[in-house]
Amino acid sequence: DARVTQTPRHKVTEMGQEVTMRCQPILGHNTVFWYRQTMMQGLELLAYFRNRAPLDDSGMPKDRFSAEMPDATLATLKIQPSEPRDSAVYFCASGLLQETEAFFGQGTRLTVV
Amino acid sequence: GENVGLHLPTLSVQEGDNSIINCAYSNSASDYFIWYKQESGKGPQFIIDIRSNMDKRQGQRVTVLLNKTVKHLSLQIAATQPGDSAVYFCADNAGGTSYGKLTFGQGTILTVHP
Repeated sequence: DARVTQTPRHKVTEMGQEVTMRCQPILGHNTVFWYRQTMMQGLELLAYFRNRAPLDDSGMPKDRFSAEMPDATLATLKIQPSEPRDSAVYFCASGLLQETEAFFGQGTRLTVV
Repeated sequence: GENVGLHLPTLSVQEGDNSIINCAYSNSASDYFIWYKQESGKGPQFIIDIRSNMDKRQGQRVTVLLNKTVKHLSLQIAATQPGDSAVYFCADNAGGTSYGKLTFGQGTILTVHP
């Protein structure tokens, strides 16, 4: 069945290291979202793509975070350098522009030590 | 420093009871609302949505009520089952044009006792 796939599911890294999280949206979906979930802030939107073009990344720390869609089947979220405060679960979601529901992946649990 | 974290509202019910989860939103320009269910270790899962031109929508065992006057949203779950235990989030599009660009509430923890 169609689903959003995120890799890796878990990542532990040392402060200062680069982290890359990957997302495969549901085939045919033209909108992709990156959300971050923490106990302190809940679910926050980091970035939003439509037809692979970044439309809104105002929720993302620009100095260390970057989000891209190299092609329609892959979205990436990169943190360089990572910091302990980046520890969170990062969710990717995809949907169709003309539809309403966004489908979420299982998330990547990131721990920066 | 101490990690305070969010203090999520909790609702504890017996199996078979009806559950009502409430949510308040702040942006009067929001015109699309959605409820998600999140089980432990999983991503949010769509339950039901409603547009602002409606005040009630029903699904299978779930009903969403929207009161735009007081900016209040509720999710009613009929005959609650242990499998309904999860964190429930309301979300809205905060007046934006994209249905997927959502602002989430803090969530409510629902615990269903057998």
